[in-house]
Amino acid sequence: QKEVEQDPGPLSVPEGAIVSLNCTYSNSAFQYFMWYRQYSRKGPELLMYTYSSGNKEDGRFTAQVDKSSKYISLFIRDSQPSDSATYLCAMSEGAGNNRKLIWGLGTSLAVNP
Amino acid sequence: NAGVTQTPKFQVLKTGQSMTLQCAQDMNHNSMYWYRQDPGMGLRLIYYSASEGTTDKGEVPNGYNVSRLNKREFSLRLESAAPSQTSVYFCASSRLADEQYFGPGTRLTVT
Repeated sequence: QKEVEQDPGPLSVPEGAIVSLNCTYSNSAFQYFMWYRQYSRKGPELLMYTYSSGNKEDGRFTAQVDKSSKYISLFIRDSQPSDSATYLCAMSEGAGNNRKLIWGLGTSLAVNP
Repeated sequence: NAGVTQTPKFQVLKTGQSMTLQCAQDMNHNSMYWYRQDPGMGLRLIYYSASEGTTDKGEVPNGYNVSRLNKREFSLRLESAAPSQTSVYFCASSRLADEQYFGPGTRLTVT
């Protein structure tokens, strides 16, 4: 079993829909949770960063962390065709600059006009 | 600022050939990383450098070597390329371990 599980999709939604992307994990020591967005043939870019449990909102994006269930989510409101991309979750434990990210496989999202 | 730059963008090698992938960042980041990305396998860490002068193995280091030339530059070398090394290679840098900034990638095909 991988440390981080993420459904690869693909997920196809109409423009304006609310999108829910999810990852589960097995390592209870994870404290830092990230969502990266990767457009086709580009490098990933950091979208959301959350420490420990709770919610974080940035415009149309909301990241949620439920450490008791070992489950993180990314919600996209009023989805746009420009949101079509692969979304990767990543997480890490501990402190210091030597810690490494553990990545999900990514979920491919298509938002149709 | 250019961010993270990688050269070359594309490369085709024959089995057994060698090559070096170059990476440079202009954000004054201490840490740099090399990943490979394959369909169904996701991003896998090859090597990383937490600071200038140090390098450490990641998840899939076999067949690769790295050099942290200075704070800006981190190169990845394939000494004897194999078809299994056909992949997209990404370099990344970070000030904080989690907030990584990625380059545009190098698409490598080994025949």
